[in-house]
Amino acid sequence: DIQMTQSPSSLSASVGDRVTITCRASQSISSYLNWYQQKPGKAPKLLIYAASSLQSGVPSRFSGSGSGTDFTLTISSLQPEDFATYYCQQSYSPIFTFGPGTKVDIK
Amino acid sequence: EVQLVESGGGLVQPGGSLRLSCAASGFTFSSYEMNWVRQAPGKGLEWVSYISSSGSTIYYADSVKGRFTISRDNAKNSLYLQMNSLRAEDTAVYYCASRGAYGDYEVIDYWGQGTLVTVSS
Repeated sequence: DIQMTQSPSSLSASVGDRVTITCRASQSISSYLNWYQQKPGKAPKLLIYAASSLQSGVPSRFSGSGSGTDFTLTISSLQPEDFATYYCQQSYSPIFTFGPGTKVDIK
Repeated sequence: EVQLVESGGGLVQPGGSLRLSCAASGFTFSSYEMNWVRQAPGKGLEWVSYISSSGSTIYYADSVKGRFTISRDNAKNSLYLQMNSLRAEDTAVYYCASRGAYGDYEVIDYWGQGTLVTVSS
């Protein structure tokens, strides 16, 4: 199975900060990479699919990039509602796998 | 509006069994591939199982293979997960989730609210 890693595992940031989260796959997955946001007690929400395509309704401050094995999620200007945990997930294989998550909290 | 409503969670002893159900509405259930995803308390997301729209193709995570069985009843707009030989490490919130596609790219697009399974003596 394809293994996913993320860094950092957590970060503290302030409103207005630019935040970057990295995801790495154990083998090349082309652009078959999705990003989800999860808030406490809630189900995850799709943010980015195909590595860089913004899901409908998601603010443009979120962006994704990368291909192959290395990917990035960027929040250009962190807003109060963005404090959450972010997961990458590969869809190259029908056996989906998630990264371990990155928790973004308030500095 | 798409709705996925899980039920069937609860407390079960190690080695026991439980059957989760997911009632789908607001979309053509029979056309959608479905998944179960779980999240242990305070931990990350773990994909558990997949079933194709017709039920003919099924996949499992290695951690549950041979113990869990996914199934669906398209006439009843329902998804199921039969869980046998349960272990403490199966304790988690279990989400029913639909698998959508944007061209060649598959995503998990809709999620239920989750149902908690606790395996403990």
